[in-house]
Order: sequence, then C-alpha cells, then structure tokens
Amino acid sequence: EPEVTQTPSHQVTQMGQEVILRCVPISNHLYFYWYRQILGQKVEFLVSFYNNEISEKSEIFDDQFSVERPDGSNFTLKIRSTKLEDSAMYFCASSARGDSEAFFGQGTRLTVV
Amino acid sequence: AQKVTQAQTEISVVEKEDVTLDCVYETRDTTYYLFWYKQPPSGELVFLIRRNSFDEQNEISGRYSWNFQKSTSSFNFTITASQVVDSAVYFCALSEFDSGNTPLVFGKGTRLSVIA
Repeated sequence: EPEVTQTPSHQVTQMGQEVILRCVPISNHLYFYWYRQILGQKVEFLVSFYNNEISEKSEIFDDQFSVERPDGSNFTLKIRSTKLEDSAMYFCASSARGDSEAFFGQGTRLTVV
Repeated sequence: AQKVTQAQTEISVVEKEDVTLDCVYETRDTTYYLFWYKQPPSGELVFLIRRNSFDEQNEISGRYSWNFQKSTSSFNFTITASQVVDSAVYFCALSEFDSGNTPLVFGKGTRLSVIA
C-alpha cells in the first residue's frame, strides 16, 4: 500500500541551526502539506503546496520556514534558524485532490537543544 | 472561523465495552469535510474516515461507526466491543471546501485507554 515516508524519524539540533525535514509523498498525489504537533497538543497546519507553489500557510509558518519540491518525489521543510519552541513532531501529508483525505507520514520528531 | 471541539480529554474503558468519542465542530461554510484520525502510541496519524457535509448517512466499518448530525454540528465516533489495540489518541478534524486545497483543523484529541 502506498505511503508517505519521512526522514529522519528523529532529529536533534542545536538552537540557531538550520534543519531540513524530508518527505516522499504518495506518488500520484498532487497536494502536499506540513503539520506539526507539539508534545501532547493538537496537530496544527503549517503549509500546503500545490503546483510547485505554496497555496496556503498558517501564521506559524513565518519567514524562518520554507518548503521546496526539489525533484519529482521529495518535499522538504526547512527551518532556517531553529528555536527551542520549534521542538515538535512534524508530519508531512499528501492528498490526491484538494478535498480528498490526506495521508500522513510517520512524522519526524525534532528536538531543539 | 473553523473550530473542532473534543470535550473528552481522556476516556478509559474495559475491553469489550462500547465507547463513543464526541466531536463538535463550527464552520460558516455549507460545504465542508469531517475526518477522524487515530494516533497510536507509535505516533503516526492513521486516516479512519472522511465525510462530506452533504452526506449525513451514518457509516459502519467493522467495529467502528460514525454518527454525523448537522443539526447539532456533531460527528461522533463509536467503537463497539473495544480492544486493547484501540488504545490511541483519536482526532476529529474539519476542512472547509475551497477551490484549492483545504487544510485540516484538528480538535485537541481524545486519549482512549482500553484496559484488558
């Protein structure tokens, strides 16, 4: 069964460092998303991406964040200068259409120290 | 503005009991989608169901059933004859119809513990 895969599963980084989280969405999907979940809290939307551009972003997704689809398969989230409060589980998701269900990856746990 | 409320923070049941997880939503749109996701202890988010606002039929899938009532803006989830493997955090989510993609707004989740 097709699935969304994320790497790494766990990343520890020092405050102020740049980090790139990687995702391979389901191959025939066209819409891509990043969400995050601070430990013990609800899942929050960060950004959606379609047709090689950001289609929507939340207020969390500030200038420190960027997304890219560098080739036909990967979808990345970059945090330029990490802060302690960026520590969270980051989920990538993809969907076939804009209104269809999103399938999530297993998440990358980012710990900023 | 969209909002999803899951009033039950934690529920604990004994195996084989039935359990209902409540979800109440707010939206101004007439076209929207409702979802349930399961987050087991391993951490991933597993899609369970998607329902559009025009389809109020209840749905049953094995031991799972969903009750969608627009009149009360609720989309409740019932697990019949619960099992230990059902222990997880369950999230209800809403997305409003748009011409583009429609980000999910999640509730805070209900942690279900099924005790053997």
